[in-house]
Amino acid sequence: DTEVTQTPKHLVMGMTNKKSLKCEQHMGHRAMYWYKQKAKKPPELMFVYSYEKLSINESVPSRFSPECPNSSLLNLHLHALQPEDSALYLCASSPRSLSSYEQYFGPGTRLTVT
Amino acid sequence: DAKTTQPPSMDCAEGRAANLPCNHSTISGNEYVYWYRQIHSQGPQYIIHGLKNNETNEMASLIITEDRKSSTLILPHATLRDTAVYYCIARIYNQGGKLIFGQGTELSVKP
Repeated sequence: DTEVTQTPKHLVMGMTNKKSLKCEQHMGHRAMYWYKQKAKKPPELMFVYSYEKLSINESVPSRFSPECPNSSLLNLHLHALQPEDSALYLCASSPRSLSSYEQYFGPGTRLTVT
Repeated sequence: DAKTTQPPSMDCAEGRAANLPCNHSTISGNEYVYWYRQIHSQGPQYIIHGLKNNETNEMASLIITEDRKSSTLILPHATLRDTAVYYCIARIYNQGGKLIFGQGTELSVKP
Protein backbone atom coordinates (compact mmCIF):
# COMPACT_ATOMS: atom_id res chain seq x y z
CA ASP A 1 0.00 0.00 0.00
CA THR A 2 1.75 3.17 -1.20
CA GLU A 3 -1.14 5.51 -0.67
CA VAL A 4 -1.78 8.51 1.52
CA THR A 5 -5.50 9.05 2.02
CA GLN A 6 -7.19 12.27 3.09
CA THR A 7 -10.74 12.90 4.22
CA PRO A 8 -12.90 14.69 3.47
CA LYS A 9 -12.22 15.56 -0.17
CA HIS A 10 -14.13 18.83 0.14
CA LEU A 11 -15.14 20.83 3.20
CA VAL A 12 -17.17 24.02 3.54
CA MET A 13 -17.19 25.63 6.96
CA GLY A 14 -18.25 28.86 8.56
CA MET A 15 -15.89 31.09 10.48
CA THR A 16 -17.31 29.96 13.82
CA ASN A 17 -17.19 26.24 13.08
CA LYS A 18 -14.77 23.64 14.37
CA LYS A 19 -13.77 20.91 11.92
CA SER A 20 -10.96 18.42 11.43
CA LEU A 21 -9.04 17.11 8.44
CA LYS A 22 -7.77 13.56 8.53
CA CYS A 23 -4.77 11.95 6.87
CA GLU A 24 -3.77 8.29 6.98
CA GLN A 25 -0.91 6.17 5.65
CA HIS A 26 -0.03 2.51 6.13
CA MET A 27 3.46 2.51 4.68
CA GLY A 28 5.20 2.47 8.06
CA HIS A 29 6.41 6.02 7.52
CA ARG A 30 7.48 7.88 10.65
CA ALA A 31 7.33 11.43 9.28
CA MET A 32 4.12 13.19 8.30
CA TYR A 33 3.50 16.68 6.95
CA TRP A 34 0.78 19.26 6.38
CA TYR A 35 1.00 21.69 3.47
CA LYS A 36 -1.32 24.49 2.38
CA GLN A 37 -1.77 25.40 -1.27
CA LYS A 38 -3.59 28.51 -2.46
CA ALA A 39 -4.89 28.66 -6.02
CA LYS A 40 -2.16 28.95 -8.67
CA LYS A 41 0.57 28.92 -5.99
CA PRO A 42 3.02 26.20 -4.91
CA PRO A 43 2.39 24.19 -1.74
CA GLU A 44 3.69 25.73 1.49
CA LEU A 45 4.86 23.65 4.44
CA MET A 46 2.86 24.10 7.65
CA PHE A 47 3.89 21.33 10.06
CA VAL A 48 6.24 18.35 10.28
CA TYR A 49 5.77 15.41 12.63
CA SER A 50 8.63 13.02 13.26
CA TYR A 51 7.95 9.88 15.31
CA GLU A 52 4.59 11.34 16.38
CA LYS A 53 6.20 14.48 17.76
CA LEU A 54 5.85 17.94 16.27
CA SER A 55 9.27 18.88 14.94
CA ILE A 56 8.54 21.87 12.71
CA ASN A 57 5.84 24.54 12.92
CA GLU A 58 6.28 27.12 10.19
CA SER A 59 4.76 29.93 12.29
CA VAL A 60 1.24 28.75 11.53
CA PRO A 61 -1.60 30.63 13.32
CA SER A 62 -3.03 28.83 16.35
CA ARG A 63 -6.42 28.44 14.67
CA PHE A 64 -4.72 25.46 12.95
CA SER A 65 -3.93 22.73 15.47
CA PRO A 66 -2.18 19.56 14.30
CA GLU A 67 -2.32 16.23 16.06
CA CYS A 68 -0.57 12.92 15.46
CA PRO A 69 -2.32 10.29 17.60
CA ASN A 70 -0.29 7.41 16.16
CA SER A 71 2.26 6.71 13.47
CA SER A 72 -0.38 6.16 10.78
CA LEU A 73 -2.71 9.05 11.45
CA LEU A 74 -2.39 12.83 11.22
CA ASN A 75 -5.16 15.29 11.96
CA LEU A 76 -5.50 19.02 11.43
CA HIS A 77 -8.04 20.66 13.72
CA LEU A 78 -9.55 23.89 12.44
CA HIS A 79 -11.20 26.56 14.55
CA ALA A 80 -12.30 30.14 13.88
CA LEU A 81 -10.85 30.18 10.39
CA GLN A 82 -10.91 33.16 8.07
CA PRO A 83 -12.02 33.23 4.42
CA GLU A 84 -8.36 33.65 3.40
CA ASP A 85 -7.69 30.20 4.86
CA SER A 86 -9.62 28.69 1.97
CA ALA A 87 -7.12 26.47 0.15
CA LEU A 88 -6.14 22.92 -0.74
CA TYR A 89 -4.66 21.20 2.32
CA LEU A 90 -2.20 18.48 1.47
CA CYS A 91 -0.86 15.75 3.69
CA ALA A 92 2.37 13.89 2.97
CA SER A 93 4.46 11.16 4.56
CA SER A 94 8.01 9.87 4.25
CA PRO A 95 9.99 7.06 5.87
CA ARG A 96 11.94 9.56 7.99
CA SER A 97 12.13 13.36 8.11
CA LEU A 98 15.41 13.44 6.19
CA SER A 99 16.04 15.04 2.84
CA SER A 100 17.27 11.76 1.38
CA TYR A 101 13.70 10.45 1.41
CA GLU A 102 10.93 11.41 -0.96
CA GLN A 103 7.56 12.48 0.35
CA TYR A 104 4.33 10.83 -0.73
CA PHE A 105 1.37 13.18 -1.01
CA GLY A 106 -2.32 12.60 -0.57
CA PRO A 107 -4.93 14.07 -2.94
CA GLY A 108 -5.73 16.92 -0.57
CA THR A 109 -8.80 18.39 1.09
CA ARG A 110 -10.25 21.44 -0.62
CA LEU A 111 -11.41 23.77 2.14
CA THR A 112 -13.76 26.70 1.67
CA VAL A 113 -14.35 29.08 4.58
CA THR A 114 -17.50 31.17 4.29
CA ASP B 1 17.63 25.78 0.91
CA ALA B 2 19.15 27.07 -2.31
CA LYS B 3 16.82 29.07 -4.54
CA THR B 4 15.89 27.39 -7.80
CA THR B 5 14.89 29.12 -11.02
CA GLN B 6 12.68 27.50 -13.64
CA PRO B 7 10.98 28.82 -16.77
CA PRO B 8 7.31 29.50 -15.98
CA SER B 9 5.99 27.46 -18.90
CA MET B 10 7.04 25.11 -21.69
CA ASP B 11 5.37 23.22 -24.51
CA CYS B 12 6.29 19.78 -25.79
CA ALA B 13 4.92 17.66 -28.64
CA GLU B 14 3.46 14.31 -27.68
CA GLY B 15 5.97 11.49 -28.15
CA ARG B 16 8.97 13.82 -28.03
CA ALA B 17 11.38 14.21 -25.14
CA ALA B 18 10.56 16.98 -22.67
CA ASN B 19 13.66 18.65 -21.23
CA LEU B 20 12.90 20.81 -18.21
CA PRO B 21 15.77 23.03 -17.00
CA CYS B 22 16.44 24.23 -13.48
CA ASN B 23 19.09 26.65 -12.22
CA HIS B 24 20.36 26.31 -8.66
CA SER B 25 23.56 28.31 -8.76
CA THR B 26 23.79 28.72 -4.96
CA ILE B 27 23.36 25.03 -4.19
CA SER B 28 25.65 23.68 -1.47
CA GLY B 29 27.40 20.35 -1.34
CA ASN B 30 24.84 18.72 0.96
CA GLU B 31 21.73 19.75 -0.95
CA TYR B 32 19.80 17.21 -2.97
CA VAL B 33 18.01 18.18 -6.18
CA TYR B 34 14.44 16.88 -6.16
CA TRP B 35 11.79 16.95 -8.84
CA TYR B 36 8.07 16.71 -8.19
CA ARG B 37 5.11 17.30 -10.45
CA GLN B 38 1.53 18.26 -9.77
CA ILE B 39 -1.21 17.39 -12.16
CA HIS B 40 -4.17 19.75 -11.91
CA SER B 41 -6.07 19.43 -8.61
CA GLN B 42 -4.02 16.45 -7.43
CA GLY B 43 -1.33 16.12 -4.78
CA PRO B 44 2.31 16.52 -5.88
CA GLN B 45 3.98 13.36 -7.16
CA TYR B 46 7.62 12.50 -6.58
CA ILE B 47 9.59 11.98 -9.80
CA ILE B 48 13.30 11.65 -9.06
CA HIS B 49 16.14 13.08 -6.99
CA GLY B 50 19.93 13.18 -7.03
CA LEU B 51 22.94 14.63 -5.28
CA LYS B 52 25.87 14.58 -7.71
CA ASN B 53 25.37 11.80 -10.20
CA ASN B 54 22.87 11.53 -13.00
CA GLU B 55 19.88 9.40 -12.11
CA THR B 56 17.30 7.46 -14.08
CA ASN B 57 14.12 5.69 -13.08
CA GLU B 58 11.01 4.46 -14.84
CA MET B 59 9.57 7.95 -15.03
CA ALA B 60 12.45 10.21 -15.97
CA SER B 61 16.16 10.99 -16.06
CA LEU B 62 17.90 13.67 -14.04
CA ILE B 63 21.04 15.24 -15.45
CA ILE B 64 23.06 17.35 -12.98
CA THR B 65 25.93 19.46 -14.30
CA GLU B 66 29.39 18.77 -12.91
CA ASP B 67 29.42 22.06 -10.97
CA ARG B 68 25.90 21.25 -9.72
CA LYS B 69 24.68 24.73 -10.57
CA SER B 70 21.94 23.45 -12.86
CA SER B 71 20.02 20.31 -13.74
CA THR B 72 17.64 19.02 -16.39
CA LEU B 73 14.72 16.68 -15.96
CA ILE B 74 14.10 14.57 -19.05
CA LEU B 75 10.80 12.86 -19.80
CA PRO B 76 11.90 10.64 -22.69
CA HIS B 77 8.56 10.22 -24.48
CA ALA B 78 6.08 12.79 -23.24
CA THR B 79 2.38 11.91 -23.26
CA LEU B 80 -0.69 14.07 -22.73
CA ARG B 81 -0.82 12.71 -19.16
CA ASP B 82 2.52 14.41 -18.44
CA THR B 83 0.87 17.83 -18.64
CA ALA B 84 1.50 19.25 -15.16
CA VAL B 85 3.44 21.77 -13.10
CA TYR B 86 6.98 20.51 -12.51
CA TYR B 87 8.85 21.65 -9.42
CA CYS B 88 12.63 21.58 -8.99
CA ILE B 89 13.64 21.75 -5.31
CA ALA B 90 17.03 21.90 -3.58
CA ARG B 91 16.88 20.26 -0.14
CA ILE B 92 19.48 20.52 2.58
CA TYR B 93 20.32 17.08 3.93
CA ASN B 94 19.55 17.61 7.59
CA GLN B 95 16.76 20.17 7.74
CA GLY B 96 14.01 18.09 9.22
CA GLY B 97 12.45 17.01 5.97
CA LYS B 98 11.48 20.46 4.73
CA LEU B 99 10.32 20.59 1.13
CA ILE B 100 10.18 24.17 -0.12
CA PHE B 101 8.46 24.49 -3.48
CA GLY B 102 9.32 27.24 -5.96
CA GLN B 103 6.99 28.47 -8.69
CA GLY B 104 7.66 25.53 -11.02
CA THR B 105 7.33 25.06 -14.78
CA GLU B 106 3.92 24.48 -16.30
CA LEU B 107 4.51 21.85 -19.00
CA SER B 108 1.87 21.47 -21.70
CA VAL B 109 2.16 18.37 -23.85
CA LYS B 110 0.33 18.89 -27.11
CA PRO B 111 -0.91 16.30 -29.63
